[in-house]
Order: sequence, then structure tokens, then C-alpha cells
Amino acid sequence: NAGVMQNPRHLVRRRGQEARLRCSPMKGHSHVYWYRQLPEEGLKFMVYLQKENIIDESGMPKERFSAEFPKEGPSILRIQQVVRGDSAAYFCASSPNGGSYEQYFGPGTRLTVT
Amino acid sequence: AQTVTQSQPEMSVQEAETVTLSCTYDTSESNYYLFWYKQPPSRQMILVIRQEAYKQQNATENRFSVNFQKAAKSFSLKISDSQLGDTAMYFCAFMSPFEGANSKLTFGKGITLSVRP
Repeated sequence: NAGVMQNPRHLVRRRGQEARLRCSPMKGHSHVYWYRQLPEEGLKFMVYLQKENIIDESGMPKERFSAEFPKEGPSILRIQQVVRGDSAAYFCASSPNGGSYEQYFGPGTRLTVT
Repeated sequence: AQTVTQSQPEMSVQEAETVTLSCTYDTSESNYYLFWYKQPPSRQMILVIRQEAYKQQNATENRFSVNFQKAAKSFSLKISDSQLGDTAMYFCAFMSPFEGANSKLTFGKGITLSVRP
């Protein structure tokens, strides 16, 4: 049973470009969480999605950031017009259902904005 | 809102010795979970141990054990017989799960543990 997959593992973007980060949850999991880890910091919750629904996006910046989890395909975290402050590691975790303590993390995507 | 505090930024321990990592948290919830995650240089988040708040018995996983003090809102991790492979960042995390609701994790800032040969 494959674990949570994230790609790309490393992404370099110039200021003003768009970044698209993908997360494929574990088989049978329909709940996805995105977290961001700034340098020397712990992970911070960004958004929680179920298939085709955003449940809680309270941790996501209001501008330039969006997330989706379509019926088919991976969850995508999209950052438009990236700035240097967006440089971070972005992790997704999947869960089999809501209210579960089980979260399985992917390897993360390291975004560098030059 | 819940908060998780790890006040020690770094610790060092000799191989084969025992080390304790501290964590405190603040919540008004009565039922919740606490976790310790390990993040080695590869950056993969690895679950070390989990404690359910309604269980009085401290969780144990091989060389890893916790000291859970619910009244004091303290949750420390003890690593026995430290190994070089234990060198990593360790994060304490809190979760308050409810059926169908957002079970997001709240993390502390982490502590860097170095195991010396």
C-alpha cells in the first residue's frame, strides 16, 4: 500500500511565478490536510479538504493561495505570484475519515522562491 | 485555541544515555490526543508515539516513552538508550478530534536533538 505521495519534491520558482504542489493521499483516504513549515519552525495548518470540498481553510493566507481536491486526481495547493516569504516546506497528510487521529504524512515539497 | 510550547531549542545526549524532551500545551478540551513526531534530515515526518488524554497510562513504544501529566498539561518524551539514528528534530503536537470535524494538528516549534557518539 503506497504511502502519501507528493510531487515535486523540490520546486524552484522566481518571484511572480505560480507554484503548484500535488498530493496523492493513501489509497482509500478521502481527507487531506496541508501544512507549511517555515525555516526553523514547526508545521502550521493551512487547509483541510475532503473530496470536492474545502472544509476548513482558516490557516491559509487570504490572497494568492488556493487548494482543491477534485473527485479524481490529487489534491493541489496553488500559490500564485510567489514571493520570497513563500519559501518553505509544504507537507500534506491524509486521513481515512474525519475525526480520526490517524494522519499519514507525505515527504513534503520544498519550495524555493528566488 | 490550542497552543503547544517546546521551550528547549536544542539538546545533546551521549549515545546509549537517556534524554527527556519537554512539551507543554494549553487547551480547554477534555478529550484530545498528543503526539511526538520525529523529523530527520530527510524532512519526512515520522510518528514516534501517541497518547490519548483519557488514558491515564503513559504510552510506550520500545525505547520511547512519555510522561503525561494531564493536570499540569505536560507531555514529555523520554528516549532511552539513545542511538545515532535518533538525531533529528522532534515536534510535540496536539489534536482534538471530533466526528466529522477538522482534526488538524497543532505543532510546537520543535527541538533539535543531537546524539553524540
